[in-house]
Amino acid sequence: RKEVEQDPGPFNVPEGATVAFNCTYSNSASQSFFWYRQDCRKEPKLLMSVYSSGNEDGRFTAQLNRASQYISLLIRDSKLSDSATYLCVAENTGGFKTIFGAGTRLFVKA
Amino acid sequence: GAVVSQHPSRVICKSGTSVKIECRSLDFQATTMFWYRQFPKQSLMLMATSNEGSKATYEQGVEKDKFLINHASLTLSTLTVTSAHPEDSSFYICSARVEAGGRREQYFGPGTRLTVT
Repeated sequence: RKEVEQDPGPFNVPEGATVAFNCTYSNSASQSFFWYRQDCRKEPKLLMSVYSSGNEDGRFTAQLNRASQYISLLIRDSKLSDSATYLCVAENTGGFKTIFGAGTRLFVKA
Repeated sequence: GAVVSQHPSRVICKSGTSVKIECRSLDFQATTMFWYRQFPKQSLMLMATSNEGSKATYEQGVEKDKFLINHASLTLSTLTVTSAHPEDSSFYICSARVEAGGRREQYFGPGTRLTVT
């Protein structure tokens, strides 16, 4: 079993749609969590950190459920520019090891 | 955000040769840098953690004698792929960790696309 698992995708949605990505992690020692965005043939870029209290940044909302070892990302009012691969990331205690999920590909169409 | 550069961005080499990839933190000092490899349509796989002034910590299955990592300063880490083979062709990405205000974030370099012929 992979340490970080994500919906395989791809997700094909129309502009303006709301889309949710799910992610689970198996290592209970994981302490910090992030969502990254990766465009084709480019490096990942940090989208947002994920906190237990949940956090929102514009159209993006991230949630963490430590009891279920589950992380989510919600994108509202999808834009064409949101098309990318979204990577769920878990970092263990002390930040000495970062595990990436396989990513979920999102296609937003006009 | 913090800026991390990589050089070269793209390299083509012949089988059996060695290739060195540089990773630099441009506007901050990074005691820890990470090296990842990404094959097409797959996620990033951590190869090793590079700590300034000490030996790198390699992930299971990564040959330390093949992938030489040197972190000689707080702003530079290098990855040398020795005796490269076609199966080493991949996208190599480094990242540097920044800690500030109790938060810890990773910033990635733009990656180096290696093709071994």
